[in-house]
Amino acid sequence: QSALTQPASVSGSPGQSITISCTGTSSDVGDYNYVSWYQQHPGKAPKLMISDVSNRPSGVSNRFSGSKSGNTASLTISGLQAEDEADYYCSSYTSSSTLVFGGGTKLTVL
Amino acid sequence: QVQLQQWGAGLLKPSETLSLTCAVYGGSFSGYYWSWIRQPPGKGLEWIGEINHSGSTNYSPSLKSRVTMSVDTSKNQSSLRLRSVSAADTAVYYCARVSSGENADYWGPGTLVTVSS
Repeated sequence: QSALTQPASVSGSPGQSITISCTGTSSDVGDYNYVSWYQQHPGKAPKLMISDVSNRPSGVSNRFSGSKSGNTASLTISGLQAEDEADYYCSSYTSSSTLVFGGGTKLTVL
Repeated sequence: QVQLQQWGAGLLKPSETLSLTCAVYGGSFSGYYWSWIRQPPGKGLEWIGEINHSGSTNYSPSLKSRVTMSVDTSKNQSSLRLRSVSAADTAVYYCARVSSGENADYWGPGTLVTVSS
């Protein structure tokens, strides 16, 4: 199974909005609403930010939102804050009953 | 509050077997899958596999031949064994609770495993 495709890096200024894409295939992202997004700060374990394409777990800011169209899922962060600077990973359930991650996107808040 | 604690040997020689254990505190062990995920230094996340309380497993195709996961429901623990390790297996290994939809909602702190001769 191949990793999902994410941009290596994105950046934005405080207060702006950014979107990170996550492209898979019809055997993973395109076929299941089981896409998750994780935030990882340096030296820390990942934190679940979005589940099931667009659901926010309790405690996650409503500035984070998720969506999906076809084989591509997206994470949007609005009102960027300095604390949002981190690595972001998407994951998807696959038709082989496995999980696949994206390569990760480094978000820089300018 | 669900907490995951993990432990195991942090330094291995090539060809040895990696062995890690993850204990779950403060929550139900049954009804979830328990996943192992690794992250080589400076690289992205890689799913290794998962196991539920009854021992049903799903493994990454790329690691399946070397991986064994098990559970001890009396201790609320899951374990990972990875045989015949090489330098390419050097990584931080995480255990995580997987809720419905394959969402890893609780994570252990990670264990750095280094493979070096």
